[in-house]
Amino acid sequence: EVQLVESGGGLVQPGRSLKLSCLASGFTFSNYGMNWIRQAPGKGLEWVASISSSSSYIYYADTVKGRFTISRDNAKNTLYLQMTSLRSEDTALYYCARHGTMDAWGQGASVTVSS
Amino acid sequence: DIQMTQSPPSLSASLGDKVTITCQASQNINKYIAWYQQKPGKAPRQLIRYTSTLVSGTPSRFSGSGSGRDYSFSISNVESEDIASYYCLQYDNLPTFGGGTKLELK
Repeated sequence: EVQLVESGGGLVQPGRSLKLSCLASGFTFSNYGMNWIRQAPGKGLEWVASISSSSSYIYYADTVKGRFTISRDNAKNTLYLQMTSLRSEDTALYYCARHGTMDAWGQGASVTVSS
Repeated sequence: DIQMTQSPPSLSASLGDKVTITCQASQNINKYIAWYQQKPGKAPRQLIRYTSTLVSGTPSRFSGSGSGRDYSFSISNVESEDIASYYCLQYDNLPTFGGGTKLELK
């Protein structure tokens, strides 16, 4: 069974940093591109970043470019999202999702940016 | 970036109704559209990929169609378990989601 489990969320002050992790199991992680998607409270889904299976290709939404860094460790079956210079508008539930079609999702990690 | 205009934002239906949601892309997305169901407090669940391919486990009352810029998603014979929000996603280029449709019971 495909499983994605996010961790690392929490309450952080504006301007600070936070790193999310997504542990994958039930499939060959190194064969799949991965994504981060977020959902602000009561709002819709927003794609944040994507990374190819070998990390050769990385893409970001304009809203996070220059502040967030997506990465992965295929040996550890883990996807990461390093978030810096956090703003109140980054408050959201952050999901990791598999593949370009986003066919499997984790349960999400909550990030709240507030003083 | 490709914009996805999803409509309607909300929909009210009776059990047994057929409902249709549309997504219009700002450019041709070559049928690379997926549809997701999201229930409160849960992660989105993919129902359909590549316009009309039902994902394993998706009931046959769900369907998708379209081409070019215009796509639709339908539920025939709405059941109580279908009450949720629905989103389209284009993955022809950098991914973008539609704004979502909240399906409620009339």
